[in-house]
Amino acid sequence: EVQLVQSGAEVKKPGESLKISCKASGYRFTTYWIGWVRQMPGKGLEWMGIIYPDDSDTRYSPSFQGQVSFSADKSINTAYLLWRSLRASDTAIYYCVRHSDGLNYFEFWGQGTLVTVSS
Amino acid sequence: EIVLTQSPATLSLSPGERATLSCRASQSVSAYLAWYQQKPGQAPRLVIYDASNRATGIPARFSGSGSGTDFTLTISSLEPEDFAVYYCQQRSDWPPSYTFGQGTKLEIK
Repeated sequence: EVQLVQSGAEVKKPGESLKISCKASGYRFTTYWIGWVRQMPGKGLEWMGIIYPDDSDTRYSPSFQGQVSFSADKSINTAYLLWRSLRASDTAIYYCVRHSDGLNYFEFWGQGTLVTVSS
Repeated sequence: EIVLTQSPATLSLSPGERATLSCRASQSVSAYLAWYQQKPGQAPRLVIYDASNRATGIPARFSGSGSGTDFTLTISSLEPEDFAVYYCQQRSDWPPSYTFGQGTKLEIK
């Protein structure tokens, strides 16, 4: 059974850094792209970008380029979403997703990580 | 960037009724169109992929159709657990880029 288990909710101050995680199981981690999707409070879904865990090839949505970064650790089947300097506007739920074989859609979703940024 | 427009924004129906949700793309997306269901406090779940294929575990009352720029998600006879927000999503070619519609809230009348 494919599972994506994300790290717990975070409360941070503006300017702080943060790394949240997404641990995959039930499939070969290195052979599927992992993506990240943002959902701001009461809003819709926004695609942030993708990473290929085998070689860490990464593509960012233009809306998120330079604002976040992705990484992956093959040894522990875990993908990460990183911020160097959080802003209040980063407050949202962040989902990791496993892409389908052909990259056309998001086949499996993590449970989401709520990030709250407030002074 | 391809824009997906979903209609209606809110659909109020009763259990047992038929639901028809629309998703229109600003330019052709071929058949690279998926639908997701999101219930309050939960992650989205894939319902339909490649415009008309049901995802694993999705009941047969869900069906998808369309190609090019106009797509439809139909729920033939609503069950209480079907009331949720539904999003359509498309993929553009390499480098991959994905956009979602703004969502249709399917609520109990």
